[in-house]
Amino acid sequence: RKEVEQDPGPFNVPEGATVAFNCTYSNSASQSFFWYRQDCRKEPKLLMSVYSSGNEDGRFTAQLNRASQYISLLIRDSKLSDSATYLCVVLSSYKLIFGSGTRLLVRP
Amino acid sequence: GEEVAQTPKHLVRGEGQKAKLYCAPIKGHSYVFWYQQVLKNEFKFLISFQNENVFDETGMPKERFSAKCLPNSPCSLEIQATKLEDSAVYFCASSQSGDLAYGYTFGSGTRLTVV
Repeated sequence: RKEVEQDPGPFNVPEGATVAFNCTYSNSASQSFFWYRQDCRKEPKLLMSVYSSGNEDGRFTAQLNRASQYISLLIRDSKLSDSATYLCVVLSSYKLIFGSGTRLLVRP
Repeated sequence: GEEVAQTPKHLVRGEGQKAKLYCAPIKGHSYVFWYQQVLKNEFKFLISFQNENVFDETGMPKERFSAKCLPNSPCSLEIQATKLEDSAVYFCASSQSGDLAYGYTFGSGTRLTVV
């Protein structure tokens, strides 16, 4: 079983749609949690950190449920520029563990 | 500088040849990480350094892969006798500390193609 699991997608949505991604992790001792964005196999870039209290950054909302080891990302009012692969990432034992990514395609 | 500089951007090697990749971390960052991304987005942790010392090498294939971070030189990842399955993008990242992922900055990667 992979340490971080994500639905690979692709999610194909129209502009303006709301889309949600989910992720589960297996190591209960994991320390920190993040969503990264990757465009066309360029370097991954940090989108946002994820906290149990939930956190929001503009159109993006992330949530962590430590009890069920579940992480989510909600994107509201999707833009064409949101098309990318979204990587669920867990910090565990001083290294980042990546999920395999969920691909999002936003169409006009 | 304020970016992680990886060279070369692209590297093509015939099977059995050696490949050497370089990474200059951000000045002041004491941790360096190497990751391998093969097709289908699988990121594999290879090795990390704290300054010039190996911090975690649990992801390194023992036989053909080696890495170094020497003072006043870019870090390097070397693959002896490359195989087709080594074809991947190799990302380097640096951080001021090992436990804060928001401090990890990734380089733009080296795309290695083994033919």
